[in-house]
Amino acid sequence: SQQGEEDPQALSIQEGENATMNCSYKTSINNLQWYRQNSGRGLVHLILIRSNEREKHSGRLRVTLDTSKKSSSLLITASRAADTASYFCATDARGGGYNKLIFGAGTRLAVHP
Amino acid sequence: SAVISQKPSRDICQRGTSLTIQCQVDSQVTMMFWYRQQPGQSLTLIATANQGSEATYESGFVIDKFPISRPNLTFSTLTVSNMSPEDSSIYLCSVGIGSYNEQFFGPGTRLTVL
Repeated sequence: SQQGEEDPQALSIQEGENATMNCSYKTSINNLQWYRQNSGRGLVHLILIRSNEREKHSGRLRVTLDTSKKSSSLLITASRAADTASYFCATDARGGGYNKLIFGAGTRLAVHP
Repeated sequence: SAVISQKPSRDICQRGTSLTIQCQVDSQVTMMFWYRQQPGQSLTLIATANQGSEATYESGFVIDKFPISRPNLTFSTLTVSNMSPEDSSIYLCSVGIGSYNEQFFGPGTRLTVL
């Protein structure tokens, strides 16, 4: 079964606005990774945040992790039309074996010019 | 990171046939993985491709249906056997890099079975 659950399932915003996507998971993790997928193509790795980290930044992206609430958020600031994509979180679960990732259902983001 | 290529990028196949998907990495990696993404869905791990030994399959996936080869540290293949329309999906390979298993994905193979 999938570990991660994301909300919202879909998000529609205007260019320049910020977009926030949330991810919740069920078990202890080693790390959590965020990915972007443009219309059914391959996944682009955005950020990895380790279980002992609380926040990471990369350009316009900000990821937070709250292990006590088993949740993470991805914030995209000053969004652009090119940010339109599906965003997935994936957890690398402790004791999961073989270092496998378990993906959330994803958030479909639409940024309108 | 790693540069990963997959062949073919897409294919349309007839029911009952088989398709082999290739995954090539530009550097030697220990961990390679195969995922399936059904239409409109998230990714599900099929198996971990182990170099020099049999692949490790996840629940719901079996070797007879999805045989995997891993002849060296830069290459793997996934075969989708005896295909049915339910196998229509995007198939993606990934590699795990570093002690934190940062995973990078290939561009995917979009398979349509008629």
